[in-house]
Amino acid sequence: EDQVTQSPEALRLQEGESSSLNCSYTVSGLRGLFWYRQDPGKGPEFLFTLYSAGEEKEKERLKATLTKKESFLHITAPKPEDSATYLCAVIAYSGAGSYQLTFGKGTKLSVIP
Amino acid sequence: GAGVSQSPSNKVTEKGKDVELRCDPISGHTALYWYRQSLGQGLEFLIYFQGNSAPDKSGLPSDRFSAERTGGSVSTLTIQRTQQEDSAVYLCASGSAGLKRFFGPGTRLTVL
Repeated sequence: EDQVTQSPEALRLQEGESSSLNCSYTVSGLRGLFWYRQDPGKGPEFLFTLYSAGEEKEKERLKATLTKKESFLHITAPKPEDSATYLCAVIAYSGAGSYQLTFGKGTKLSVIP
Repeated sequence: GAGVSQSPSNKVTEKGKDVELRCDPISGHTALYWYRQSLGQGLEFLIYFQGNSAPDKSGLPSDRFSAERTGGSVSTLTIQRTQQEDSAVYLCASGSAGLKRFFGPGTRLTVL
């Protein structure tokens, strides 16, 4: 069974204090890994897709990296507006031309001014 | 362009009543997904539509849950005889040929 585990569950940072969120996974036939940001009362907002180990993607203060067993979302000098829940999801081929997306439970990030 | 829209944004119902949740995907997207997000839990896959193919219903938790997609566009998720454990946020997502999926804002269902 595909599993995705995110850690920590919650993280409080001071503004400007860099840190990393972890997403570890066990999945057969990985086709990609997604990072999403979710604000309270809203649907997940797409951030990055990573397809293969060693790949990195950057967007503003965020950088996502991927290994064969985990992904990291690095946050550099965070600001209060980066406060949100960050979701990781892996996508794997599930047969008959369809793909299964399995989500972790998320990391709730709070950035304190 | 418009994103995925869902209605209603909030729904409060009494235990035992039926509810219908609607999803309007991004125009041109052939894939449509329903997920459920309960408090403190990850997103739980419910059902997946791809073009004219038979839907993947493997995530539906019971036979009280059903969904249909008309004309390859709008989808309706129906929950019959709602139970309190059905209370959650129901999210719809759509996608095109790639793997990326775009989510709607969700419908928050509360069963009293």
